[in-house]
Amino acid sequence: EPEVTQTPSHQVTQMGQEVILRCVPISNHLYFYWYRQILGQKVEFLVSFYNNEISEKSEIFDDQFSVERPDGSNFTLKIRSTKLEDSAMYFCASSGSWREGSTDTQYFGPGTRLTVL
Amino acid sequence: DAKTTQPTSMDCAEGRAANLPCNHSTISGNEYVYWYRQIHSQGPQYIIHGLKNNETNEMASLIITEDRKSSTLILPHATLRDTAVYYCIVRVTNSGGGADGLTFGKGTHLIIQP
Repeated sequence: EPEVTQTPSHQVTQMGQEVILRCVPISNHLYFYWYRQILGQKVEFLVSFYNNEISEKSEIFDDQFSVERPDGSNFTLKIRSTKLEDSAMYFCASSGSWREGSTDTQYFGPGTRLTVL
Repeated sequence: DAKTTQPTSMDCAEGRAANLPCNHSTISGNEYVYWYRQIHSQGPQYIIHGLKNNETNEMASLIITEDRKSSTLILPHATLRDTAVYYCIVRVTNSGGGADGLTFGKGTHLIIQP
């Protein structure tokens, strides 16, 4: 069964450094998402991406965040200058295809644990 | 998206049916009920969704009341591996597309007892 994959599983970085989190969505999906979950808190939506541009973003997704689909398979989240409060699990998700009967059910990856020291 | 209300936690004995309730009294006619679960700190896992008819798949059954103001997720024979946080999410869905972010609440922490 196709699945969303994410790398790395755990990233440790120093405050102020840039990090790039990588995701490979399900191959025929068209919509891509990033979520985060701070330890002990709810899963929070960050951004959605379609047709090479941002569709929707939350208040959390400020100028320090950016997303990109650099090639036909990867979807990345970049945090330019990490802060201590960026420490969280980051989940990628994908949905939707041109196949008849497809729905926008979102399928999530296993997540990347980001630790900012 | 309409707001949902779920109990904070529930226990169920292994091998028994786990029935997880969700209230969504402000649901609109074009909003679907989605269920996800999250085992420990893993990524949310899709379980099932429905509009107004009851639905069943290999994981669970979804029972939606006739007025659509509440629903119940049923895991027919719960196992220890079903211990997780279960999220009920109400949202509009578009066939063939989508782009809206999901709004997760705190969910129900289901604990399966041996």
